[in-house]
Amino acid sequence: SQQGEEDPQALSIQEGENATMNCSYKTSINNLQWYRQNSGRGLVHLILIRSNEREKHSGRLRVTLDTSKKSSSLLITASRAADTASYFCATEYGNKLVFGAGTILRVKS
Amino acid sequence: DGGITQSPKYLFRKEGQNVTLSCEQNLNHDAMYWYRQDPGQGLRLIYYSQIVNDFQKGDIAEGYSVSREKKESFPLTVTSAQKNPTAFYLCASSISRGGDEQFFGPGTRLTVL
Repeated sequence: SQQGEEDPQALSIQEGENATMNCSYKTSINNLQWYRQNSGRGLVHLILIRSNEREKHSGRLRVTLDTSKKSSSLLITASRAADTASYFCATEYGNKLVFGAGTILRVKS
Repeated sequence: DGGITQSPKYLFRKEGQNVTLSCEQNLNHDAMYWYRQDPGQGLRLIYYSQIVNDFQKGDIAEGYSVSREKKESFPLTVTSAQKNPTAFYLCASSISRGGDEQFFGPGTRLTVL
């Protein structure tokens, strides 16, 4: 399988704390994307990082990519209750996106 | 508003029936996708289409069929040959390629009774 794998599977933190999720993948990539899914809803694109980029920021999100380790991390700073959701990484393989199983983030207020 | 719509939101089907899930987009995207999501799992690709009148099987196409007669529409039929169809179905689109950012619809939850 070319699927990315997120870890941890689940994460519970207090509001205001930072949340870090990791993604590992198996083959060379063109880009890696992170998506968020609120319960029972569709996915929302958060950020795309290309293989020649090492770090990217978007608001309270920071994504890093280490192609030598085939891994990426998503950091959400100063988390809010509204950040409670599942977070998925996705990598391109054969002109398709392959999604990991996701990290469930719960932010307690 | 530009976006992707899926209907219905909830669908109940008796065993042995075919059902069709609707997906429409007004983003002028060339590529469209159907995914299946089971509880606690990621998305698995059923079918995708990069251009009108053409589509390809994804990883779990057995028991499903699609058509792409119009750029805006990509309906998915869940046939009676699909052994375990109860799942959450998501439609998505992207500008042209699978590696582009994908935009998702709100999903259809199918339950087989």
